[in-house]
Amino acid sequence: DIQMTQSPSTLSASLGDRVTITCRASQSISSWLAWYQQKPGKAPELLIYKASSLESGVPSRFSGSGSGTEFTLTISSLQPDDFATYYCQQYNSYSSMYTFGQGTKLEIK
Amino acid sequence: QLQLQESGPGLLKPSETLSLTCSVSGGSISSSNYYWGWIRQPPGKGLEWIGTIYYSGSSYYNPSLKSRVIISVETSKNQFSLKLSSVTAADTAVYYCARHRGYYDSSGYYSPGNFDFWGQGTLVTVSS
Repeated sequence: DIQMTQSPSTLSASLGDRVTITCRASQSISSWLAWYQQKPGKAPELLIYKASSLESGVPSRFSGSGSGTEFTLTISSLQPDDFATYYCQQYNSYSSMYTFGQGTKLEIK
Repeated sequence: QLQLQESGPGLLKPSETLSLTCSVSGGSISSSNYYWGWIRQPPGKGLEWIGTIYYSGSSYYNPSLKSRVIISVETSKNQFSLKLSSVTAADTAVYYCARHRGYYDSSGYYSPGNFDFWGQGTLVTVSS
């Protein structure tokens, strides 16, 4: 099975900061990675797919990069609405598994 | 606008079978572009994929749950369903249904990819 490991688990940052969250896969998943944002009591929302493609309607301050086993989600300038938990998810078809990372909680400093 | 709505009992006793239905509106479950999936989230914890189905009935399951899970689709009602047998307290979670967007992998096979629309989720508690 492909394991997904996010770091850090918790991140404290201030409005306007540039932040980066990392997701590592236990084996290569090419670019088959998505990022989601989840706010308390709500369903996750898709931000990024295929590692770096921005989902329609998502602000351009969100960006994704990486391939193989290491991926990053970057928020260029934190806004109040961005404080949430972020998850990565791999969808390498060879595994027939759709595994999520454990999540990164982004908190206000 | 696409909407997904989970429904089913919110309280179960250990050893019972969890049964949830996801009703899809604003789009057809028979679209060849999409799969349909179930994901769960125990209170205060992360997301766990349970399984995914295509309108044709082809399905994929999380190996850790496969022996207890059945996912089915009813295209005439634009619904798909989840059954999880022999539940325990460890199955207490918010259960989400979601549209599982497909993509062509490097072999040209159309596979499930990312989850682009989600239901609001329903809390299922297992307690005696």
